[in-house]
Amino acid sequence: GAVVSQHPSRVICKSGTSVKIECRSLDFQATTMFWYRQFPKQSLMLMATSNEGSKATYEQGVEKDKFLINHASLTLSTLTVTSAHPEDSSFYICSARVGVGWESNQPQHFGDGTRLSIL
Amino acid sequence: SQQGEEDPQALSIQEGENATMNCSYKTSINNLQWYRQNSGRGLVHLILIRSNEREKHSGRLRVTLDTSKKSSSLLITASRAADTASYFCATEEGTSYDKVIFGPGTSLSVIP
Repeated sequence: GAVVSQHPSRVICKSGTSVKIECRSLDFQATTMFWYRQFPKQSLMLMATSNEGSKATYEQGVEKDKFLINHASLTLSTLTVTSAHPEDSSFYICSARVGVGWESNQPQHFGDGTRLSIL
Repeated sequence: SQQGEEDPQALSIQEGENATMNCSYKTSINNLQWYRQNSGRGLVHLILIRSNEREKHSGRLRVTLDTSKKSSSLLITASRAADTASYFCATEEGTSYDKVIFGPGTSLSVIP
C-alpha cells in the first residue's frame, strides 16, 4: 500500500530556531501533499496544500512567511517553521494522495506526524 | 474551517459491543472518508464512500451515507480493546481544489 514517511517524529528546540519537517511518499508519486496541524484532543486543521513545482496554497489565517512549504519533487514536500516560538508547539501531520484531484476519489495517506516543542 | 461534525464527541463501550459514530456535513461532497488515529500517531484510512454510494463494508466496519440528510455513520461491530482510538470523518468538496476537511472526531474507548 501507499506509504508516507514523515521525519523527524519529534523535535525539541529553543525559541527562535527554524525547524524543517520532511514528508516523503515512498512508493508512489504525489503531485499534491497536505500539511495539517493538530492541537491536543482536537481535529486536524488544514494549513496548506503543497503542489509539486508550484507555490503552496495556504488556508486562511496561516502565515506564509512563518510556515514555508517547498514541494521540490513528486515524492518530497518540506514544511519549515521559521523562527519558531512556543505558540508554534503542536503536532504537525502531512498527507499525500495517489492520483490527481478530487476526481480520483482516493483516500489520503498520512505520515506519523511530528511533535514540535519549542522551549 | 471544519466541514464534518461528529457525534458523539466521546464514546465508551464494553468489549464486544457495537460502536456507532455519526458525522454531519454542510456542503455537497464528492466523497466522505473515515479515518482512525491512535494517540500521538498519524491517521489511518478506514473507508471512503462516494457520493453516489449509500453503504459500504470493510471487515467489522460499516459506513452509510445519506446525502439528502448530509450525514454519515460508522459502525464498528464486536468492538475490541484495540479499537480504542479517535475516529474522524472527512469530506472532499466538489471543486477543482482537492482539499479534505476533517470533523472534530469521536474519541472511542473500548473497555476490556
